Amino acid sequence: KAGVTQTPRYLIKTRGQQVTLSCSPISGHRSVSWYQQTPGQGLQFLFEYFSETQRNKGNFPGRFSGRQFSNSRSEMNVSTLELGDSALYLCASSKQGPTGELFFGEGSRLTVL
Amino acid sequence: AQSVTQPDIHITVSEGASLELRCNYSYGATPYLFWYVQSPGQGLQLLLKYFSGDTLVQGIKGFEAEFKRSQSSFNLRKPSVHWSDAAEYFCAVGASDNQGGKLIFGQGTELSVKP
Repeated sequence: KAGVTQTPRYLIKTRGQQVTLSCSPISGHRSVSWYQQTPGQGLQFLFEYFSETQRNKGNFPGRFSGRQFSNSRSEMNVSTLELGDSALYLCASSKQGPTGELFFGEGSRLTVL
Repeated sequence: AQSVTQPDIHITVSEGASLELRCNYSYGATPYLFWYVQSPGQGLQLLLKYFSGDTLVQGIKGFEAEFKRSQSSFNLRKPSVHWSDAAEYFCAVGASDNQGGKLIFGQGTELSVKP
């Protein structure tokens, strides 16, 4: 079956702009999580959505937001981009429950100039 | 607060040699523990996971890990490394009451394999 699909794979923005990243989970998976990966901070949890509701949230400023649609697809948005937002943004999907394995997409690499 | 420490940032082993990657966690209750691998330009792939029961867990690609509660460790091992194992390895912990999605990751260990 198809894996987790993230679009776009690469994008370049300038400071102050906003960006929207998209994630299509594996069919049947209702939980979608987002992570930011940087060389300095490593992998950090952004937020998790389940059935269109944000269920968990990491320690990121309000410029980072997300949503989930009824078909479980998810988007995350970063407004007023800063240089430090340059990162690989990874989406993961899983079935319901704490023991569910996370299936990761290949990520969207954002460069902020 | 939950945390995961991977003491080794970079490890180099010869092909065919054994491998052990260290992971220590800090968590008050019973954790769920994971090892993921990331190849360059790729997402993360689950190697193995521990929830309960037998403390020695087997994973894909010949990897295994042992949960030691007394040492708060979950080290990853492989008896014979292949060149294709070169990648970055991440240990992660999830809360036992986690309803999904939120994992705390270690900083990762980059593995290089010498021919």
